[in-house]
Amino acid sequence: DAGVTQSPTHLIKTRGQQVTLRCSPKSGHDTVSWYQQALGQGPQFIFQYYEEEERQRGNFPDRFSGHQYPNYSSELNVNALLLGDSALYLCASSKPGQGFHEQFFGPGTRLTVL
Amino acid sequence: QQQVKQSPQSLIVQKGGISIINCAYENTAFDYFPWYQQFPGKGPALLIAIRPDVSEKKEGRFTISFNKSAKQFSLHIMDSQPGDSATYFCAARPTGFQKLVFGTGTRLLVSP
Repeated sequence: DAGVTQSPTHLIKTRGQQVTLRCSPKSGHDTVSWYQQALGQGPQFIFQYYEEEERQRGNFPDRFSGHQYPNYSSELNVNALLLGDSALYLCASSKPGQGFHEQFFGPGTRLTVL
Repeated sequence: QQQVKQSPQSLIVQKGGISIINCAYENTAFDYFPWYQQFPGKGPALLIAIRPDVSEKKEGRFTISFNKSAKQFSLHIMDSQPGDSATYFCAARPTGFQKLVFGTGTRLLVSP
C-alpha cells in the first residue's frame, strides 16, 4: 500500500519564478492538505483540498494556489517566489468524508529559492 | 491566535531512560492532539493521538498524558532507544477547522 508520494524531491528556483509541486494521496484517501515547514520549525497549514475544491486556507498570500484532480492528486503552485519561500513543503492526505481525520504526511519537497 | 507551545527545544536522554516532551495551548478550543515523529529528510509520521475526553493513552512505549483544565499535554517515551532519536512535534486541531497547528518541535537524542 503506497503512502503519500510527492514530487520532485528537491527543487531550486530563483526569486520571481513560479513553481509547481505535486502530491499523490495515500490509497483510499480523498482529502489533501499542504503545509510549509521552515527550517527548525513546525509545519504551517497552507490549505486543504476536498472534492476538487479548496476547503480551508491558512494565513498564506494568494501567491500560493492549488488544485485537486478527479483522481485526488493535488498540486501546489507558488508564484513570484521570494527567498522566504524556501522550505520543506509537505502534503498530507486523509480518508474520505466530512469531519476531521488523521493526516498522513508525505516525505516533502525541499524548495530552495536563490 | 491559535498556538501550541512546545518544550524543551532539545533533549538528551540515556538509553533506557524516559523522554518527556511537553506542550501547552491557550485561548482556543482544540479537539484532537496528535504527536508526530520526524527523521531528517522525511515527512512527519503519526505516532499517537488523543482526544480531550481521555486523560491518558498508551501505545507500546509511547504515552500521551492530557490535562484538560491546565490545557497541557505531554508525550512520554519509556525505555528510550537510540532509534528514537528524531524531532518530535505536538499538534492540535482547532475545533471546526481542517488543519493541525504544530508546536515548534523537540529534537531528541538518545545516547547509547
